[in-house]
Amino acid sequence: GDSVTQMEGPVTLSEEAFLTINCTYTATGYPSLFWYVQYPGEGLQLLLKATKADDKGSNKGFEATYRKETTSFHLEKGSVQVSDSAVYFCALPPTGGGNKLTFGTGTQLKVEL
Amino acid sequence: DGGITQSPKYLFRKEGQNVTLSCEQNLNHDAMYWYRQDPGQGLRLIYYSQIVNDFQKGDIAEGYSVSREKKESFPLTVTSAQKNPTAFYLCASTPGGTEFFYGYTFGSGTRLTVV
Repeated sequence: GDSVTQMEGPVTLSEEAFLTINCTYTATGYPSLFWYVQYPGEGLQLLLKATKADDKGSNKGFEATYRKETTSFHLEKGSVQVSDSAVYFCALPPTGGGNKLTFGTGTQLKVEL
Repeated sequence: DGGITQSPKYLFRKEGQNVTLSCEQNLNHDAMYWYRQDPGQGLRLIYYSQIVNDFQKGDIAEGYSVSREKKESFPLTVTSAQKNPTAFYLCASTPGGTEFFYGYTFGSGTRLTVV
């Protein structure tokens, strides 16, 4: 079945450091891929998405490239800020029909001054 | 602006009580979902509904109930049978259909605490 594997957190970085959060998936075909962000005490927000292989999604300085060869969708940011502290979820839509997203377990990011 | 409204933001329940969490959307979305999130944990699916008057159990439905009498509303009742209900509850929706998946829109959540 479909599955998403994310690197475990928490990830602690200093401000202006480079961020990578790994995400790999198992699915039939080449589905769209999503990254969601959850700030403390809030719901999830869509951060970025890619709809086909080799697409790059980007938003707020974050980027992720859909790599079908490695079935990966790693999230990157060149210079993190304290305000980026949040939990990040990689997500995979259903490939066999329906509308249930499969979420990764989430990766908590803490950015310190 | 369209969106999903969850209420209340904070809810306290006494032992043995049933409580109902509200979720309302004005996005004209067909499908709606309830998730539970425990501290430091990922999301676990409780119930979902693809269309009015129809809903399915998710991975952790025991101790919960839902209804979908209107397209815009999908309330979740946490019953006394749910032995450990303290958690953060998230409601989400999506347009539905299988031609293209648009992703979910989430509400801001309800934090339920047993006192």
